[in-house]
Amino acid sequence: GESVGLHLPTLSVQEGDNSIINCAYSNSASDYFIWYKQESGKGPQFIIDIRSNMDKRQGQRVTVLLNKTVKHLSLQIAATQPGDSAVYFCAEKYNNFNKFYFGSGTKLNVKP
Amino acid sequence: GAGVSQSPSNKVTEKGKDVELRCDPISGHTALYWYRQSLGQGLEFLIYFQGNSAPDKSGLPSDRFSAERTGGSVSTLTIQRTQQEDSAVYLCASSVTGNTIYFGEGSWLTVV
Repeated sequence: GESVGLHLPTLSVQEGDNSIINCAYSNSASDYFIWYKQESGKGPQFIIDIRSNMDKRQGQRVTVLLNKTVKHLSLQIAATQPGDSAVYFCAEKYNNFNKFYFGSGTKLNVKP
Repeated sequence: GAGVSQSPSNKVTEKGKDVELRCDPISGHTALYWYRQSLGQGLEFLIYFQGNSAPDKSGLPSDRFSAERTGGSVSTLTIQRTQQEDSAVYLCASSVTGNTIYFGEGSWLTVV
């Protein structure tokens, strides 16, 4: 979603529930997408990626879904844990360019 | 080390002074990126180096900002005549071209 300054969109979930974090990307020509997790005071950490020739990719407890028709990317986290609490960013790479553009981030709060 | 290394991790400087931030990318990574992240915000692209090609400087916010990459490895981001609005986390990342970018932990700059 759009950045609203210091007030990041926030998703609060109960420990053990599944989480879905959404991202609308900007360029229909983007060919590569990455989800990052950023804990307080740390750099972004790679979670999972997907190329534009796929619509779904699974990792350990995480799944990324890509809908190119509506330019939408989602990250699903199964059995969310307190350690999953962080800010999550999606990033897109435009086809034939090597720069990555980042969304404004979503803060995930996991309640024990 | 195995990851992207940045120094200093924290820097407090007086308005008007110059600062240099250093990035040591992952060995073998030909691409190097600098991003800036203000408090509670997303990642703002600054500059991109790829091998011996001319860098993409399109994200540098003013001519007070410059960066170089010596020998295709270590990079230095220099901010001249720092202003309070330069206060942010400066993140460096590296990659094998076109693939996942890996971030360092950032250099936290505070201009007082």
